[in-house]
Amino acid sequence: SQTIHQWPATLVQPVGSPLSLECTVEGTSNPNLYWYRQAAGRGLQLLFYSVGIGQISSEVPQNLSASRPQDRQFILSSKKLLLSDSGFYLCAWSPGPISPLHFGNGTRLTVT
Amino acid sequence: TQLLEQSPQFLSIQEGENLTVYCNSSSVFSSLQWYRQEPGEGPVLLVTVVTGGEVKKLKRLTFQFGDARKDSSLHITAAQPGDTGLYLCAGEDNTGNQFYFGTGTSLTVIP
Repeated sequence: SQTIHQWPATLVQPVGSPLSLECTVEGTSNPNLYWYRQAAGRGLQLLFYSVGIGQISSEVPQNLSASRPQDRQFILSSKKLLLSDSGFYLCAWSPGPISPLHFGNGTRLTVT
Repeated sequence: TQLLEQSPQFLSIQEGENLTVYCNSSSVFSSLQWYRQEPGEGPVLLVTVVTGGEVKKLKRLTFQFGDARKDSSLHITAAQPGDTGLYLCAGEDNTGNQFYFGTGTSLTVIP
């Protein structure tokens, strides 16, 4: 069966520090991968998605970036965090069109 | 970015009552999905609807996709405390690669 791992679960970082959140998927190949951000009790904002290694599409201009160095690995990064980067970050995968998203358990990021 | 508006944003009802959540957009979607999310966890899929006018039932939950594939509704019959959570609709664009989420409906069912 397929599983998705996302870490860390919680993170507190000072403004201006770098960020690296990692997500890996097991039990499938060539998945579509996604990073979303969620404000408390609200909907999810699509940040990045990838349909293959090295292929990244960005939805929202910001100081975040994403990379997909391996087929089942998706990394969300920042060189310098802003206060506004605080939030709940969710990684998800999908096998393709007309298929559901499968989410990780999320990372709660607090920028202080 | 395609917007999906959900209403109501918050809903607090007594156990046994019925409720309907709406998901509306001006965009057409290839499919629409409904998810339920618990605090501190990722959303979990409830249903996918694909055909305009489609109705799907999942025990006490009834989902409908609008004829024009721009809107959807979720109806819960005889709500139970276990139904408490954040309900999210998500529309899939015509590439099949992007999912746009609604603004969310936070449901609390009081025993």
